[in-house]
Amino acid sequence: EPEVTQTPSHQVTQMGQEVILRCVPISNHLYFYWYRQILGQKVEFLVSFYNNEISEKSEIFDDQFSVERPDGSNFTLKIRSTKLEDSAMYFCASREGTSGANVLTFGAGSRLTVL
Amino acid sequence: LAKTTQPISMDSYEGQEVNITCSHNNIATNDYITWYQQFPSQGPRFIIQGYKTKVTNEVASLFIPADRKSSTLSLPRVSLSDTAVYYCLVGPGNAGNNRKLIWGLGTSLAVNP
Repeated sequence: EPEVTQTPSHQVTQMGQEVILRCVPISNHLYFYWYRQILGQKVEFLVSFYNNEISEKSEIFDDQFSVERPDGSNFTLKIRSTKLEDSAMYFCASREGTSGANVLTFGAGSRLTVL
Repeated sequence: LAKTTQPISMDSYEGQEVNITCSHNNIATNDYITWYQQFPSQGPRFIIQGYKTKVTNEVASLFIPADRKSSTLSLPRVSLSDTAVYYCLVGPGNAGNNRKLIWGLGTSLAVNP
């Protein structure tokens, strides 16, 4: 079964440092997403990406966040200057163009710990 | 935006059928109902989606009454490995993005031996 893969599985960083989280979506999928989940809290939408550009972003996705699809296979989330409150699980997801709009395949997540 | 309400937690035993009901009184005409499962420290996993009546796949069944203001996820003969959080989401089926999907806290299902 095709998978969305994410690296690293866990990253510990100091406040103020830049972090890049990487994702390899399923190869024939067209829509890509980043979500985050703070421990014990809800899954929160960050950003959606289609046709090499951001299609929508949430209020959480401020200027310190950026996404990129540099080589047609990887999809990255960059946090320029991490804050303590950025500590969370970050999930990448993708979906086909023709499947239901709400049918996403999620990766296993990257746990970010900001000290 | 449709808001969903589901029980915070449920307990069951191996071999039992589990039904988790979700209320979505403000569901819109073009909204679909989607259920996800999440194990600790893992990403959510799609289970089933429906618009009306009944949908069944190899994992679960989804029952949606005519007024669509609620839905029930039915898990037949649960096992210990079905212990997880189950999310009910409602959102447009033709959306180009998923921002309109609002994730609640879900229902934490504990299956006991």
